[in-house]
Amino acid sequence: KQEVTQIPAALSVPEGENLVLNCSFTDSAIYNLQWFRQDPGKGLTSLLLIQSSQREQTSGRLNASLDKSSGRSTLYIAASQPGDSATYLCAVPMEYGNKLVFGAGTILRVKS
Amino acid sequence: GAGVSQSPSNKVTEKGKDVELRCDPISGHTALYWYRQRLGQGLEFLIYFQGNSAPDKSGLPSDRFSAERTGESVSTLTIQRTQQEDSAVYLCASSRTGLAGAGELFFGEGSRLTVL
Repeated sequence: KQEVTQIPAALSVPEGENLVLNCSFTDSAIYNLQWFRQDPGKGLTSLLLIQSSQREQTSGRLNASLDKSSGRSTLYIAASQPGDSATYLCAVPMEYGNKLVFGAGTILRVKS
Repeated sequence: GAGVSQSPSNKVTEKGKDVELRCDPISGHTALYWYRQRLGQGLEFLIYFQGNSAPDKSGLPSDRFSAERTGESVSTLTIQRTQQEDSAVYLCASSRTGLAGAGELFFGEGSRLTVL
């Protein structure tokens, strides 16, 4: 059974800091890994999708890496801003099956 | 449309009533998913539709829950005889292909259901 763990559960940083969010998964047979952002009371916004054959993806101040063999992904946020405050979720699909398995998320607060 | 659209955004109902939640996926997306998010908890998979294939209903928590989708268009999630534990945000997502095709998921804003 695929299990996804995110560390830390919560993080509070001053504006301008670079930070790393961690995601680990137990079954490395994945097609891809997706990072999402969820603002309070809102749906999920897709941030980055890394295919299983890729090592990393970048979008603006965000960089996500994937080490499939060790079951790990990191989301790096450069020069954090108060607007980055949200819950960050990682999710992986099973190689066989249609479910996207989500981690519990990291609640990020960036203080101005 | 430009994104996944869900309605109603908020629904308050009395225990025992039936509710219908609607999802309008992104045009051209063949795959559609329903997830449930209880307060302070992670996302639970409910059901998956892919084109005209039989849906994957393995996540539906009880026979009070059902969902339909006509072709590659709108989907409705129906909860019969609602219970207080059904209170949650119900999220719909769509992707251009199924997960086996490594499709990126796009979520709607969700329907917040409160059962009194």
